[in-house]
Amino acid sequence: KQEVTQIPAALSVPEGENLVLNCSFTDSAIYNLQWFRQDPGKGLTSLLLIQSSQREQTSGRLNASLDKSSGRSTLYIAASQPGDSATYLCAVSRNTGNQFYFGTGTGLTVIP
Amino acid sequence: KAGVTQTPRYLIKTRGQQVTLSCSPISGHRSVSWYQQTPGQGLQFLFEYFSETQRNKGNFPGRFSGRQFSNSRSEMNVSTLELGDSALYLCASSLALGTTEAFFGQGTRLTVV
Repeated sequence: KQEVTQIPAALSVPEGENLVLNCSFTDSAIYNLQWFRQDPGKGLTSLLLIQSSQREQTSGRLNASLDKSSGRSTLYIAASQPGDSATYLCAVSRNTGNQFYFGTGTGLTVIP
Repeated sequence: KAGVTQTPRYLIKTRGQQVTLSCSPISGHRSVSWYQQTPGQGLQFLFEYFSETQRNKGNFPGRFSGRQFSNSRSEMNVSTLELGDSALYLCASSLALGTTEAFFGQGTRLTVV
């Protein structure tokens, strides 16, 4: 069974700092890896999708990388802002379906 | 472009009752999947539908069921509610299977008392 782990569980940084969130998974036979953010009591907002044949994706201040062989992904956030405060979740899918296995998330607080 | 719409947003039910939650995917999306989110277990997969067919089912008891209609809208039903069913239920839609991005709704917060 796929196990997804995110480290750290919580992170607090001053505004403007660059930061890296980590995600690891036990089964490298994934199809997609997707990063989401979740604000308290809300649904998930998609940030980046990395397909299994890709190694990274970028959107604005966000960059996500994928190393399938080592079972790892990182989400890099540049020049963090208070509005970035949220829980960040990574999820991996298998086969050709859309069943995701989620990590437990990293709670990010950006201090003004 | 409208996002994924889940109704109702909040529900309070009594133990033993049943409940039906609804999810309208993004227009043109044919895949809908459901997840349960609790503080203790995190996000857990319930089931996935594509073109009215259930493709995958998570490890939940038979009290949890779902279906998808020809317009891709989906419903999930929980019968004989238990206190432990209190959770945020999230629905995700995707254009197709496999390589496409998943978009989530705002969720339905179910409280069982």
